Amino acid sequence: DVKVTQSSRYLVKRTGEKVFLECVQDMDHENMFWYRQDPGLGLRLIYFSYDVKMKEKGDIPEGYSVSREKKERFSLILESASTNQTSMYLCASRGTATNEKLFFGSGTQLSVL
Amino acid sequence: GEDVEQSLFLSVREGDSSVINCTYTDSSSTYLYWYKQEPGAGLQLLTYIFSNMDMKQDQRLTVLLNKKDKHLSLRIADTQTGDSAIYFCAESRRDSSASKIIFGSGTRLSIRP
Repeated sequence: DVKVTQSSRYLVKRTGEKVFLECVQDMDHENMFWYRQDPGLGLRLIYFSYDVKMKEKGDIPEGYSVSREKKERFSLILESASTNQTSMYLCASRGTATNEKLFFGSGTQLSVL
Repeated sequence: GEDVEQSLFLSVREGDSSVINCTYTDSSSTYLYWYKQEPGAGLQLLTYIFSNMDMKQDQRLTVLLNKKDKHLSLRIADTQTGDSAIYFCAESRRDSSASKIIFGSGTRLSIRP
């Protein structure tokens, strides 16, 4: 079974802190994604990566950056956390075939105080 | 999720059928998906349909696709309490460099005794 692991289940940070959210997948998938999930808004795509060192902006990239130095790891970075970044963050990965399904991690609930 | 729309809530009686509806706008989407999210968990793929199909059935689940109206539905027969969850509709869109998955806001299904 594919495993997508997010390093923290819950995280509490202060406004202005730099925050790293880590995600690791074990299926050699080329594509990795970061979403945030907010009530009533569903999942919104922040950034995605289709190869090592390659990244693309999603729908809401402002205030975030990403890093993909190794194929299995995709990091989401909040350079200076703000309260409106309090959310559930979901990492996902998939292979390159068009019918490949998306596999999700269990999420990181981030609270910025 | 831009352009993928679902109603936020649905309540059905145990044993009845549930029908969750979704509309999307990108006619070039190749695959459409239904994901299920149980409380405190990540998203799990329930089923998907290729865009050249009208219907797909998998045990209690029936997916109907009306490509002309860009309308997708998920029918759950004999709804059980274990079906209580948020159901997300999603479409696969090809970007310049990779395909990305765009989600709707999710429909929270609750079951009445």
